[in-house]
Amino acid sequence: NAGVTQTPKFRILKIGQSMTLQCTQDMNHNYMYWYRQDPGMGLKLIYYSVGAGITDKGEVPNGYNVSRSTTEDFPLRLELAAPSQTSVYFCASIDSGGVETQYFGPGTRLLVL
Amino acid sequence: EDQVTQSPEALRLQEGESSSLNCSYTVSGLRGLFWYRQDPGKGPEFLFTLYSAGEEKEKERLKATLTKKESFLHITAPKPEDSATYLCAVQARAGSARQLTFGSGTQLTVLP
Repeated sequence: NAGVTQTPKFRILKIGQSMTLQCTQDMNHNYMYWYRQDPGMGLKLIYYSVGAGITDKGEVPNGYNVSRSTTEDFPLRLELAAPSQTSVYFCASIDSGGVETQYFGPGTRLLVL
Repeated sequence: EDQVTQSPEALRLQEGESSSLNCSYTVSGLRGLFWYRQDPGKGPEFLFTLYSAGEEKEKERLKATLTKKESFLHITAPKPEDSATYLCAVQARAGSARQLTFGSGTQLTVLP
């Protein structure tokens, strides 16, 4: 198993540009999450999904959108990038029917200039 | 609102010098308290889950304990490879989607 994979690893965006951060897990987990981590801070929940076709907002959803068309994939969309979205983004997944440990991907570092 | 506060923000230890990291929390019914280790440029790596006051778990030089208001991560005779940021998170019983609320972490540096 590859676990949770994220692409790209690093990206520079100009203000107003759009992009999609990709997240894929091969563990057949039904719950998936997107977090952002600013320097010296903990992780803040952006969006989460409890299964294909079901998504909900977390603590800091403004400026982001998500979709969940399959169990494996949970992409995060930034429509109009702003400097405040400069951060490191982590995707995580959990098997709600088993040991409820969140497994994290390696992260995407995003710089908005 | 669930809250997690970790202290100290940063800790420097000599190799072999034992110490403890603190995680204070307020949550509307604790489902679980999680400890993660995060290396620079990497995603958080799971260490422990604690479910009830009085519970303890150990892994190599690390031992996590839990009370009704806080958790401690005890590091015994640390080595330089234990240098990392340690994150604490809580999961409320009420959240059906198993969301985690994280603290800001303790950055541990172990000097040889």
